[in-house]
Amino acid sequence: EVQLVESGGGLVKPGESLRLSCAASGFTFSSYSMNWVRQAPGKGLEWVSSFSSSTSYIYYADSVKGRFTISRDNAKNSLYLQMYSLRADDTAVYYCARGGGYCSGGRCYDKYYFDYWGQGTLVTVSS
Amino acid sequence: QSALTQPASVSGSPGQSITISCTGTSSDVGGYNYVSWYQQHPGKAPKLMIYEVSNRPSGVSNRFSGSKSGNTASLTISGLQAEDEADYYCSSYTSSNTLVFGGGTKLTVL
Repeated sequence: EVQLVESGGGLVKPGESLRLSCAASGFTFSSYSMNWVRQAPGKGLEWVSSFSSSTSYIYYADSVKGRFTISRDNAKNSLYLQMYSLRADDTAVYYCARGGGYCSGGRCYDKYYFDYWGQGTLVTVSS
Repeated sequence: QSALTQPASVSGSPGQSITISCTGTSSDVGGYNYVSWYQQHPGKAPKLMIYEVSNRPSGVSNRFSGSKSGNTASLTISGLQAEDEADYYCSSYTSSNTLVFGGGTKLTVL
């Protein structure tokens, strides 16, 4: 069974940093792209960042570019999001989501949808 | 990275069909067959309902279907049931190698 468990959320002040983690299990972690998606209280979903599977491509939303860093440790089946210079509008539930995809002939192909999601971790930025 | 446009709310009675639209541009919805749809119940994580415009993941009811015409994608739910009441979000890959969501649609089953 695929499981994604986020941790690391909490209350921080504007300008501070925070590191989120996502522990994955139930699938071959290295074969899939991994993503962060957030949802501000009472608002819609916002894609934050993606880390591809085999090609190590990394992408960010303009709203977090230069402030957030996504990383992954395939040996630990874990995804991370290092957040710097946090602002009030970064307040949200942060979800870890697996990207769709498949592997064939020794190569993995990422797909642009999210097939499994964690339960989320709440980040609150407030003075 | 402007959000895709969805109606804020739709409603229907049990047994009826409803359609939720998702309008983007030629740089996202219209340019790629990478539109997906997610269902989210209050306090829960989103759930994938449709991927790559019209494909249903295993376990998703065949009452859910997706389509696309030009820059607009659509999610149709037939035979509405009470448990379908939720928020629905569309998403698309973009020409900037990013992903973008719609603003979400609240479905009310009357």
